[in-house]
Amino acid sequence: AQSVTQLDSQVPVFEEAPVELRCNYSSSVSVYLFWYVQYPNQGLQLLLKYLSGSTLVKGINGFEAEFNKSQTSFHLRKPSVHISDTAEYFCAVSLMNTGFQKLVFGTGTRLLVSP
Amino acid sequence: DTAVSQTPKYLVTQMGNDKSIKCEQNLGHDTMYWYKQDSKKFLKIMFSYNNKELIINETVPNRFSPKSPDKAHLNLHINSLELGDSAVYFCASSHPSGTYNEQFFGPGTRLTVL
Repeated sequence: AQSVTQLDSQVPVFEEAPVELRCNYSSSVSVYLFWYVQYPNQGLQLLLKYLSGSTLVKGINGFEAEFNKSQTSFHLRKPSVHISDTAEYFCAVSLMNTGFQKLVFGTGTRLLVSP
Repeated sequence: DTAVSQTPKYLVTQMGNDKSIKCEQNLGHDTMYWYKQDSKKFLKIMFSYNNKELIINETVPNRFSPKSPDKAHLNLHINSLELGDSAVYFCASSHPSGTYNEQFFGPGTRLTVL
């Protein structure tokens, strides 16, 4: 079975600073990888996804992530954060080629951006 | 227009009661999901339906019964509520296929069992 580890439960950062949220996964088969964002009292919104091709994936709101197969990682980065980026970020995996998608989520990382 | 909607947004009830949460999507998707997010924000899939048929059923107590009257609706009925059922429940929908299609999430229903 696949699993996802988000090493940091909380990441405090100052506005306009760069940030990296870490995600590692384990799976015996190939997976798709995702980052979702959850703003306070809202549902989840897809930030970006890796399905195949280029290992550097660009998403919405200036976020990007890099798939590293040898490290089994999919870290999320943003070069300059805004106060509005304060939210919970979830990394997730889904098995490839199963026909139906079952997302397995990490435990989330709370990004706290302060002025 | 709301893509995936859930009602109610908040639900407070006593232990032992039976309650339902409704989910509707207007995206034309044919696969819908229920997720549970616990107090530590951990998200776990509970069920998935495709064209009104159950395709994913994780280890969920029998007290939880999903019902899909049509492709646009997936309701969650919970019998004999327990304190541990307190959580935020999210509905989602997507198109199924051999490659991944984005799951769109509803705003969540916060269930509090007293």
